[in-house]
Amino acid sequence: AQSVTQLDSQVPVFEEAPVELRCNYSSSVSVYLFWYVQYPNQGLQLLLKYLSGSTLVKGINGFEAEFNKSQTSFHLRKPSVHISDTAEYFCAVSHQGAQKLVFGQGTRLTINP
Amino acid sequence: GAGVSQSPRYKVAKRGQDVALRCDPISGHVSLFWYQQALGQGPEFLTYFQNEAQLDKSGLPSDRFFAERPEGSVSTLKIQRTQQEDSAVYLCASSLAWVRHEQFFGPGTRLTVL
Repeated sequence: AQSVTQLDSQVPVFEEAPVELRCNYSSSVSVYLFWYVQYPNQGLQLLLKYLSGSTLVKGINGFEAEFNKSQTSFHLRKPSVHISDTAEYFCAVSHQGAQKLVFGQGTRLTINP
Repeated sequence: GAGVSQSPRYKVAKRGQDVALRCDPISGHVSLFWYQQALGQGPEFLTYFQNEAQLDKSGLPSDRFFAERPEGSVSTLKIQRTQQEDSAVYLCASSLAWVRHEQFFGPGTRLTVL
């Protein structure tokens, strides 16, 4: 069975500071990894995904993530955050042969001016 | 362009009532998913359709939950005899079969059972 652990439930940062949201997964097979963002009262929006190839993945809104197979991690980073990045962020995993996504519990990113 | 739409956006039900939640996927999307998101939690998989076929319903929490997609487009999630623990946001997502790992989500239906 697959599982996803987001190590921080809340991350407060100051505007224009860098941020890292941590995600670890467990799986016995090769995985596909995703980060989604959820703004208040909205559905989930895909930020970026890792399917294969380069382990450094760039997404929308200046976010990027690095797949580390040996550490089973897929941490999300942004060098300089904005107030508009305030949202809930979810890491998710699936694998070949399975359609469904398994989500972590989410990290609430709060940007302080 | 049109995304995934869900209706109603909010539903309040008395315990014991039946409810029906609708999902309109992106036109042409073969795959359709339902997830349940409890307050403060990540979404949890309920069920998956490919066209009209329900290929995985392993996440449905009880036999009170039933989903259908009779013509391979619109889907309905039905909950019978609602209980307070059914209160959650129900998210629908769709994807193209050949880009199947990118799921596009609707805004969700927030169900409150009193």
